Amino acid sequence: EAQVTQNPRYLITVTGKKLTVTCSQNMNHEYMSWYRQDPGLGLRQIYYSMNVEVTDKGDVPEGYKVSRKEKRNFPLILESPSPNQTSLYFCASSLDAAYNSPLHFGNGTRLTVT
Amino acid sequence: KNEVEQSPQNLTAQEGEFITINCSYSVGISALHWLQQHPGGGIVSLFMLSSGKKKHGRLIATINIQEKHSSLHITASHPRDSAVYICAVRRDTGNQFYFGTGTSLTVIP
Repeated sequence: EAQVTQNPRYLITVTGKKLTVTCSQNMNHEYMSWYRQDPGLGLRQIYYSMNVEVTDKGDVPEGYKVSRKEKRNFPLILESPSPNQTSLYFCASSLDAAYNSPLHFGNGTRLTVT
Repeated sequence: KNEVEQSPQNLTAQEGEFITINCSYSVGISALHWLQQHPGGGIVSLFMLSSGKKKHGRLIATINIQEKHSSLHITASHPRDSAVYICAVRRDTGNQFYFGTGTSLTVIP
């Protein structure tokens, strides 16, 4: 089944403890991206990747890192999480960034930083 | 700064009503997406438009590039259409996406 898989679904952590949220797609998509969703602000793009080893900042990249070593995986890393990073996170992929194609979203990761 | 504005924010309709959700944007775009998010959080892509009109079942999406405006219409609405509908645009310069804050639709039986 074609899908974008995020893990974990729920994560509670403490300020400063490094964490990684994984994202994997099995559709051979070139474009992958991370978003956070906050009440009243909607979805905002954190980082995106056009292909392996190519990443770019989105609207709200501060406090986050990403890497794209393989086409299928695009992990989101919080080196030193802070409470303002408490949010609902989504990973998404699409076939080819150069030719507009639909976005496929993961099921989301609800992160709480205390 | 809000690159994408949606209206209304909240909408309650009786089953069977015709529904329209509007999206206006202020940047140059290569495509506009309509997304659906059900309670519980999952997001599904409904349409991707760069011009004209698309139809899928009871859903119709239109876009007017000159006016920088898109509409999502739901004909013969049903309680299962209750969800948050989100408009998203992909910039024509670069590959960033910008999102509206969503329209929360409730369809009452």
